[in-house]
Amino acid sequence: NAGVMQNPRHLVRRRGQEARLRCSPMKGHSHVYWYRQLPEEGLKFMVYLQKENIIDESGMPKERFSAEFPKEGPSILRIQQVVRGDSAAYFCASSPGSRNEQFFGPGTRLTVL
Amino acid sequence: AQTVTQSQPEMSVQEAETVTLSCTYDTSESDYYLFWYKQPPSRQMILVIRQEAYKQQNATENRFSVNFQKAAKSFSLKISDSQLGDAAMYFCAYNRGNFNKFYFGSGTKLNVKP
Repeated sequence: NAGVMQNPRHLVRRRGQEARLRCSPMKGHSHVYWYRQLPEEGLKFMVYLQKENIIDESGMPKERFSAEFPKEGPSILRIQQVVRGDSAAYFCASSPGSRNEQFFGPGTRLTVL
Repeated sequence: AQTVTQSQPEMSVQEAETVTLSCTYDTSESDYYLFWYKQPPSRQMILVIRQEAYKQQNATENRFSVNFQKAAKSFSLKISDSQLGDAAMYFCAYNRGNFNKFYFGSGTKLNVKP
């Protein structure tokens, strides 16, 4: 059973461009969580999604950030008009829902020039 | 609001020795879960150990054990017989249960000296 997949692993964008981060949960997992880790800090929750639904987006910045988890395909975290402060590692975690455990992907490191 | 505090930014331990990492948390809930995650330089988050608040017995996983003090809201991680591969960032985390987000501490960097 493959683990949580995230791609790309590294992403470089210039200020003002868009960043799309993808997360494929573990097989059979229908719950996805996104976290952001700024340098020298712990992970901060951004958003929790189930298939086709956003359950909790209390950690999402109000502007430029959006997330989706369609019926088919990976979950996408989209950042529009990136700024230098968006540079961070973005982690996705998936859960089967039947057990309180989140399995983390390897993260995407976003660098904004 | 739930907060998780790790007051030790960095610690060092001699190989084969024992080290304890501290974590405190704040919550008004009576049922919740606590976790320790390891993050090596690869940045992959690896679950080390978990504790259910309703269980009085401290969790143990091989060389890793916790000291869970519910009344004091303290959750420390003890690593016995430290190995070079234990060197990493360690994060303490809290959540209220299934279908809930994690709250992470700021991390403790553990160095293991040969």
